[in-house]
Amino acid sequence: EAGVTQFPSHSVIEKGQTVTLRCDPISGHDNLYWYRRVMGKEIKFLLHFVKESKQDESGMPNNRFLAERTGGTYSTLKVQPAELEDSGVYFCASSSYRRGRLGYTFGSGTRLTVV
Amino acid sequence: KQEVTQIPAALSVPEGENLVLNCSFTDSAIYNLQWFRQDPGKGLTSLLLIQSSQREQTSGRLNASLDKSSGRSTLYIAASQPGDSATYLCASIQQGGSEKLVFGKGTKLTVNP
Repeated sequence: EAGVTQFPSHSVIEKGQTVTLRCDPISGHDNLYWYRRVMGKEIKFLLHFVKESKQDESGMPNNRFLAERTGGTYSTLKVQPAELEDSGVYFCASSSYRRGRLGYTFGSGTRLTVV
Repeated sequence: KQEVTQIPAALSVPEGENLVLNCSFTDSAIYNLQWFRQDPGKGLTSLLLIQSSQREQTSGRLNASLDKSSGRSTLYIAASQPGDSATYLCASIQQGGSEKLVFGKGTKLTVNP
């Protein structure tokens, strides 16, 4: 079974530019989550999709962040325009059951550097 | 608001030693608590999940305990090996329907041959 795939693995962009991160969850996993780790801080929740619907987006920092999940399959997280404080590692995770009852599968993350 | 703290931030031990990693949380109304492992440049690997009604879970050389009343969880690693070197993270999900994992900052473990 393929794991959770994230693309790109690294991205370096200038302040003010736009970046789109992609996550391909495990096939058949309805639940998809985005998390972020800013340097020196703990990993923090961004949002949760159930299929194509946003179930909880309370962790999204501001309206420069836009997440979508097309047809309940892969998801994208767009940052527009990027700011320096957006630098960090963005993780995607998926699960087949709610609330991680049988555990989560995390991707390797996208390391975003805004310069 | 739940806060999860992990102490120590880093730990270095000789191979073969038994060790304990600590995790504390401020809100005892948790749904479950999970321990993850993260290797450099890799994603998080789920190690153990303890439901709120459980006291402990075991997998191989790993044993995780949960004491909600004191707001603590521990991860015990027996007979540590260099391959155990990684960052260990604990995270909780609260009761009430939320799906958010609330993470600690992690403990970076180095097991020296």
